This record gives sequence, structure tokens and C-alpha cells, in this order.
Amino acid sequence: AQTVTQSQPEMSVQEAETVTLSCTYDTSESNYYLFWYKQPPSRQMILVIRQEAYKQQNATENRFSVNFQKAAKSFSLKISDSQLGDTAMYFCAFRSPNFGNEKLTFGTGTRLTIIP
Amino acid sequence: EAQVTQNPRYLITVTGKKLTVTCSQNMNHEYMSWYRQDPGLGLRQIYYSMNVEVTDKGDVPEGYKVSRKEKRNFPLILESPSPNQTSLYFCASSLRGQGRETQYFGPGTRLLVL
Repeated sequence: AQTVTQSQPEMSVQEAETVTLSCTYDTSESNYYLFWYKQPPSRQMILVIRQEAYKQQNATENRFSVNFQKAAKSFSLKISDSQLGDTAMYFCAFRSPNFGNEKLTFGTGTRLTIIP
Repeated sequence: EAQVTQNPRYLITVTGKKLTVTCSQNMNHEYMSWYRQDPGLGLRQIYYSMNVEVTDKGDVPEGYKVSRKEKRNFPLILESPSPNQTSLYFCASSLRGQGRETQYFGPGTRLLVL
């Protein structure tokens, strides 16, 4: 079974600074999908960024980028020029490309606070 | 607007009183799933459905039931709720695509069982 580990329960950073959230995972599969979800105080789950394991290039979405290290099974999220609206819980998630259950396996989350 | 809706958003109930949380999506998605979120545990899958009349257990199915009679609806049923089912519940849906399709989440239902 796949597992996802987020070792930083809480982080805080000054506004406009850069912050990196860590995520490691364990799987025996060679092809899979990785995601970062943001959960603001409203509790809505918002997709931030996704990465296909077969792609070597790291995904980027505006101020958000990932550092995907397949051999190390590491998938960190970098937030540049952090903004107050980035304050949220961030979840790393893994999804297996099987034909049956396409569930997301989540980490325990990192609570990020942006300090004005 | 493409969306997943859940009702109710907040619910307080007592032990043993049957309840249903509804989930509906308007994107013609085949795959639907229920998760529960608990502090320090992240989100865990309760049940999922690959299409109409096709449902199966996730990681934490005890105490829950589901049905999928229509493609758009996937209700979560608690026949006899207990306090350990106090949690935040999310419904999600996606096209079936071997994991590559984006999974869309509902707004969540916060349940308190007394």
C-alpha cells in the first residue's frame, strides 16, 4: 500500500518570502500521479499543482513549483513570493493509475501561516 | 458551473439516529468517492464508486453505507452514527482515467455526533 509522509506539521514564513513544504511517499509502482492540495480556512480542497511521475520536468503553476525526485520518492512544494492568501493547510497526495479505485492517498498535512 | 455539492454542510445529531449526507455532481463523472478528514490523519477514503451500481469499500468503511443509483448522486448513509464518526466529510468526483484526471471536491460536511 502507498503511504505519504509530510514531516512538517506547521510552518510559518514572512510575507513575500519563499517557503518549501516537504513530502515523501512510498510506492512500488513506476507510474503514478502526485498532487498538492490547499485547504484554506473555508475547508474547501483546492488543487494547487500536479505532477506525472513519467515526466522528468518539474511542474510549475505561477508562484508554485515542485521539486520531484523520483528516485528519492520526494515531492516538495515551493511557494515563491508568499502572500497572505497562501495561509492554509497543504496536503500532499498520491494517486495510482490503476483501473479500479482511483483514490487519493493523502499525507497528514502542513499548516502554513504567512506572517504580514 | 461545474461543481460538486454536498448537503447538509453542518449537522449535529445524536448517537443512533440514522442520517444521510447527499453528494451530487454535474460533470458527468463516472468516479465518485467519499473521504473523511480527522486532525493528524489527513483524508482517508470511506467508499468509492466507479459507475452506476458499482461501489466498493475504501480504507475506513465501517459504519457507513453508500449507493449509486444515478450517475450524478452518491449519498453517504450512517445507519447508526456513533461519536467516533464525528468528522469532516468530503465527496469527490472525476472522470475515470487511470489516475490522471483531476478529482474535484465538494465543500465538505462537518458532522458532530453526540
